[in-house]
Amino acid sequence: RKEVEQDPGPFNVPEGATVAFNCTYSNSASQSFFWYRQDCRKEPKLLMSVYSSGNEDGRFTAQLNRASQYISLLIRDSKLSDSATYLCVVNFGNEKLTFGTGTRLTIIP
Amino acid sequence: ETGVTQSPTHLIKTRGQQVTLRCSSQSGHNTVSWYQQALGQGPQFIFQYYREEENGRGNFPPRFSGLQFPNYSSELNVNALELDDSALYLCASSLEVGGAETQYFGPGTRLLVL
Repeated sequence: RKEVEQDPGPFNVPEGATVAFNCTYSNSASQSFFWYRQDCRKEPKLLMSVYSSGNEDGRFTAQLNRASQYISLLIRDSKLSDSATYLCVVNFGNEKLTFGTGTRLTIIP
Repeated sequence: ETGVTQSPTHLIKTRGQQVTLRCSSQSGHNTVSWYQQALGQGPQFIFQYYREEENGRGNFPPRFSGLQFPNYSSELNVNALELDDSALYLCASSLEVGGAETQYFGPGTRLLVL
């Protein structure tokens, strides 16, 4: 079993729709959690950290469920510019970031 | 931008050769991590350096080695290149070691091994 698992997609979603990504992780001792965004042929960029209480940044909402070892990302009112690969990232407290394979999202006009 | 730079941007090598990739971290960032990203996969941790010492290593063979210098620059060296080493190599810097720190990625070096 992979340490961080994501549905690779692709997700093809009409502009303006709401889309949700899920991610599960294997180690209950995990310390910190992130969503990164990666555009085609570019480096990953931090989208948002994920906190136990859940957090929101504009149209983006991240949730963490430690009991189920589950992280989610919700994008509301999706824009064409949201098209990218979204990477679920976990730090297991061992000095490295562990990435999922990423979920590819395409917003359709 | 993140302030992290990498060179070269692209590189073509043949099997068996050696390669050195370079990274310049943000000023003041004591920690640099290197990742390998194969096509269609998420980045995989190679190793991390903190204050010029290796501070954690992923599941990569010893022919992957690194250095970190006092001027916030670092190198990734790969000996005896194999076809499967073709990937995007990313470095990421952070202020301190400890895991919760945000890591800032450079634009990467695309390596093709023929």
